[in-house]
Amino acid sequence: ETGVTQTPRHLVMGMTNKKSLKCEQHLGHNAMYWYKQSAKKPLELMFVYSLEERVENNSVPSRFSPECPNSSHLFLHLHTLQPEDSALYLCASSQDFGGRVYEQYFGPGTRLTVT
Amino acid sequence: SQQGEEDPQALSIQEGENATMNCSYKTSINNLQWYRQNSGRGLVHLILIRSNEREKHSGRLRVTLDTSKKSSSLLITASRAADTASYFCATPRQGGSEKLVFGKGTKLTVNP
Repeated sequence: ETGVTQTPRHLVMGMTNKKSLKCEQHLGHNAMYWYKQSAKKPLELMFVYSLEERVENNSVPSRFSPECPNSSHLFLHLHTLQPEDSALYLCASSQDFGGRVYEQYFGPGTRLTVT
Repeated sequence: SQQGEEDPQALSIQEGENATMNCSYKTSINNLQWYRQNSGRGLVHLILIRSNEREKHSGRLRVTLDTSKKSSSLLITASRAADTASYFCATPRQGGSEKLVFGKGTKLTVNP
């Protein structure tokens, strides 16, 4: 276990549904990330939160809406998704000290299928 | 782009053999990280090597970094079936930020 948990582990949703992915880290980190991993593509960084403030949004469509209520929890709210959004969504956390690089700890991921 | 690119894309070896994976990147970095991902799971951090280091060891893992060639290698010695996974290198964006850029990975299969 890496200290980062994600729920649910699998999710099947229709294009008109609204669902949320949850991530929780027990490592005392102050930065959290959402990544998307599609088949045969590099890992894509979607959002970054540092000290509960969103510091990056990598041109992600508005049908994905992140929320970081505190430094231990991160959500990804989903609505009106498209089939091409089917992928493995990974949450990660790290310690962020003013831009110094630290290793990231990943959760097990949520396998999302949009039908 | 500072994206690392792993080579080869896929590697199949027998248990007990050594596995070598390479990563090339494009711009100057101050560190490089290697991660492992078992099928359909999250990534696990393996090792971080800084730009002033040439070689680093962790158990059966040996990582080298050649900043003049902008390349790194990951060597797994005496491989085991449990080493079957995808291996990714990651480099910081903009020379040192906490944002990492991952390559597409090398898929390693270790046959028993």
